[in-house]
Amino acid sequence: EADIYQTPRYLVIGTGKKITLECSQTMGHDKMYWYQQDPGMELHLIHYSYGVNSTEKGDLSSESTVSRIRTEHFPLTLESARPSHTSQYLCASSDLERHQETQYFGPGTRLLVL
Amino acid sequence: AQKVTQAQTEISVVEKEDVTLDCVYETRDTTYYLFWYKQPPSGELVFLIRRNSFDEQNEISGRYSWNFQKSTSSFNFTITASQVVDSAVYFCALSEADDYKLSFGAGTTVTVRA
Repeated sequence: EADIYQTPRYLVIGTGKKITLECSQTMGHDKMYWYQQDPGMELHLIHYSYGVNSTEKGDLSSESTVSRIRTEHFPLTLESARPSHTSQYLCASSDLERHQETQYFGPGTRLLVL
Repeated sequence: AQKVTQAQTEISVVEKEDVTLDCVYETRDTTYYLFWYKQPPSGELVFLIRRNSFDEQNEISGRYSWNFQKSTSSFNFTITASQVVDSAVYFCALSEADDYKLSFGAGTTVTVRA
């Protein structure tokens, strides 16, 4: 069982607003990830981090940015939200367990930009 | 490049029927990991199983079983005696040994009717 938290769970916001989606994990995992998922569709990796002060862009281009100042915290920021950003955002973390990596996911944030 | 294909978009069954979800993958690596996740209507992804490429032994966990066949690049998932609580979207995913990122299939929506 994983302890990974995301806030808010739901967010409705107007175009042009700046938003930050929070993700925290209490397992001390080095690696953290952000995925974007449209309803009923597959997950696409948009950002990942393999440790403090390390961030990389994922396979799907995103206008969002991330930071990793503390091991347990990996927030995602949109400077100016647009309707095209409407989606579900899922955060995950992983670490070596028995020589293998498994990603554990948070509950997700459902974002609606009007 | 890696790719995961879940050809079945939706499956609908009546309670107590068995249901098998297909997953076919592509990778050039000899070491890789395969995963199944469940996404109930609440939205979070729940880890079900991880299998590495060197272990072709099939696995059973309660009503869940997995059939891994390297010869056909498949990692199929069977739910025996399905229950309404099994209704969810199920994702198959792949990661390669030196790359912790996951590539997801498009998911299969399973609906179990009472």
